[in-house]
Amino acid sequence: QKEVEQDPGPLSVPEGAIVSLNCTYSNSAFQYFMWYRQYSRKGPELLMYTYSSGNKEDGRFTAQVDKSSKYISLFIRDSQPSDSATYLCATSNAGGTSYGKLTFGQGTILTVHP
Amino acid sequence: KAGVTQTPRYLIKTRGQQVTLSCSPISGHRSVSWYQQTPGQGLQFLFEYFSETQRNKGNFPGRFSGRQFSNSRSEMNVSTLELGDSALYLCASSPREGGNQPQHFGDGTRLSIL
Repeated sequence: QKEVEQDPGPLSVPEGAIVSLNCTYSNSAFQYFMWYRQYSRKGPELLMYTYSSGNKEDGRFTAQVDKSSKYISLFIRDSQPSDSATYLCATSNAGGTSYGKLTFGQGTILTVHP
Repeated sequence: KAGVTQTPRYLIKTRGQQVTLSCSPISGHRSVSWYQQTPGQGLQFLFEYFSETQRNKGNFPGRFSGRQFSNSRSEMNVSTLELGDSALYLCASSPREGGNQPQHFGDGTRLSIL
């Protein structure tokens, strides 16, 4: 079983829809949570970074973390065709022997059609 | 501010050869991590360097190695290449080491083994 599980999709939505992307994790030591967006032939781009349970909002994006359920989500409001990409959730430990190591989900392929 | 720069962008090698990939982190960033991305396994952690020292290593064979220079630039080397080494190799940098540091990725080096 992978430490971080993410539904690979693909997910196809019409422009303007609200998109919900989700991951679950199994390791209680994970303290930091990130969402990355990756366009074809490009590296992952950091969208959101959070370390506590609750919501964090940045423009059309909201990251939600529920540590009690080990569940993380990314919501995209008013989705645009330019949001079409692969979305990756990632987690990391606070320290210890896991310096610099991000553990990723498999990624969800999102297509927003006009 | 320039992002993470990886060279070369594309590389074609044959089995048994060795290869060296280069990464220049964001100016001021001192931690560099390397990841391998494949369609089947997703993004997997290779190793992390800070202050010219390898601080953490993923579950990869000894054919994969790396180093970091005093200016924080990093290289990774893969010896005795195998077909399964075909992948996108991504470098990420962060200001300091530790799981609480968000990592910023370059666009990767696409390595193809014939």
